[in-house]
Amino acid sequence: TQLLEQSPQFLSIQEGENLTVYCNSSSVFSSLQWYRQEPGEGPVLLVTVVTGGEVKKLKRLTFQFGDARKDSSLHITAAQPGDTGLYLCAGVMRNQGGKLIFGQGTELSVKP
Amino acid sequence: DTGVSQDPRHKITKRGQNVTFRCDPISEHNRLYWYRQTLGQGPEFLTYFQNEAQLEKSRLLSDRFSAERPKGSFSTLEIQRTEQGDSAMYLCASSPEGTGPNYGYTFGSGTRLTVV
Repeated sequence: TQLLEQSPQFLSIQEGENLTVYCNSSSVFSSLQWYRQEPGEGPVLLVTVVTGGEVKKLKRLTFQFGDARKDSSLHITAAQPGDTGLYLCAGVMRNQGGKLIFGQGTELSVKP
Repeated sequence: DTGVSQDPRHKITKRGQNVTFRCDPISEHNRLYWYRQTLGQGPEFLTYFQNEAQLEKSRLLSDRFSAERPKGSFSTLEIQRTEQGDSAMYLCASSPEGTGPNYGYTFGSGTRLTVV
């Protein structure tokens, strides 16, 4: 059983389109992070959200943490081919020494 | 500091052989993590260290796996008697203590293990 469920698992869109990736759980997290990973490389941290209801923006990317701190979303506006990659959400649970629980990832392909 | 370094980047080994991977974390980070990732999946936690102490091991880490961080700096992950199911990307990450708004891991580029 996956503690963090990401959807969709695969997404193929045209350049300029908008998209949203969801990350859901029945568990409460003290914080949640989003990473982007390219083939053959390690994940790279995009953002950490800590407060329920928090919204953070990173250029064309908007991240939201659910009010109950059980879910999160990533919205990309006007996607570009450079956004292609595997997007991973990861949660930190209390008293777990900073261990991250990862979702299974969303493979995004943006075609020119 | 050049980030988290992992060596080797790729390893092909025959089933039954032993392999060892090395991770050099960011020097100021006292936490070090090992994860395993298979194709199209998110990383799965294996173990973590705070300084030289190994504080948690996943049930995924069978007795063929052992990890060390002898002086609280670099770490090694050894797999004995490798099996084909061990083929995966092995990722190392480091972080400072704390879980606030600036918390996050810095990952290495991983070691891709192929057991033939």
